Amino acid sequence: QVQLVESGGGVVQPGRSLRLSCEASGFTFSDYGMHWVRQAPGKGLEWVAVMWSDGSDEYYADSVKGRFTISRDNSKKTLYLEMNSLRAEDTAMYYCVKGQWIQLWGYYLDDWGQGTLVTVTS
Amino acid sequence: SYVLTQPPSVSVAPGQTARITCGGNTIGSKSAHWYQQKPGQAPVLVVYDDNVRPSGIPERFSGSNSGNSATLTISRVEAGEEADYYCQVWDRSSGHVIFGGGTKLTVL
Repeated sequence: QVQLVESGGGVVQPGRSLRLSCEASGFTFSDYGMHWVRQAPGKGLEWVAVMWSDGSDEYYADSVKGRFTISRDNSKKTLYLEMNSLRAEDTAMYYCVKGQWIQLWGYYLDDWGQGTLVTVTS
Repeated sequence: SYVLTQPPSVSVAPGQTARITCGGNTIGSKSAHWYQQKPGQAPVLVVYDDNVRPSGIPERFSGSNSGNSATLTISRVEAGEEADYYCQVWDRSSGHVIFGGGTKLTVL
């Protein structure tokens, strides 16, 4: 079965950096676009970023564009999120999510990891 | 940017039908998807492509999408389905995934 295991979360000071990882198993990782979605404490879901299956394209939410970088290593079946210039409002649970592409209609998100918590505080 | 609007809360008695709406400009021209999130857990996909149930999701979950509103319908609601529900679409113009703000379903 599909497994997505996030790691790398923790407590970090504002302005610092953090790198999240997501190890995938149970499916052909290189066939799927992969996403990061976050959820601040007590708040709703916020999509963060997507990287296409072959790494050819990537998109970011406006709130993180220019600060966060999504990447992947298909040989290691691992997705990454490099987070720079962190702010208090980046505090959230970060989920690694497998995307399913519907031609013309775009992505839905069919498998989610359990998340890794990032806390930005001084 | 594209915006999806959900009611903050919906309440229903056990055994009754819950309907959760998701409003968006001509959302009927997009494909809508729905997620269930119970406290302390990751979200779970319950309906995709407007009205398709993933394997393992009860037939009591169904969806529809037309005009400016998509709807998730849960028939014969059970106490265990008390959760937050989120709608989602893909915004082709921006390449972004868009979530609604979420609806808390309370089973009275």
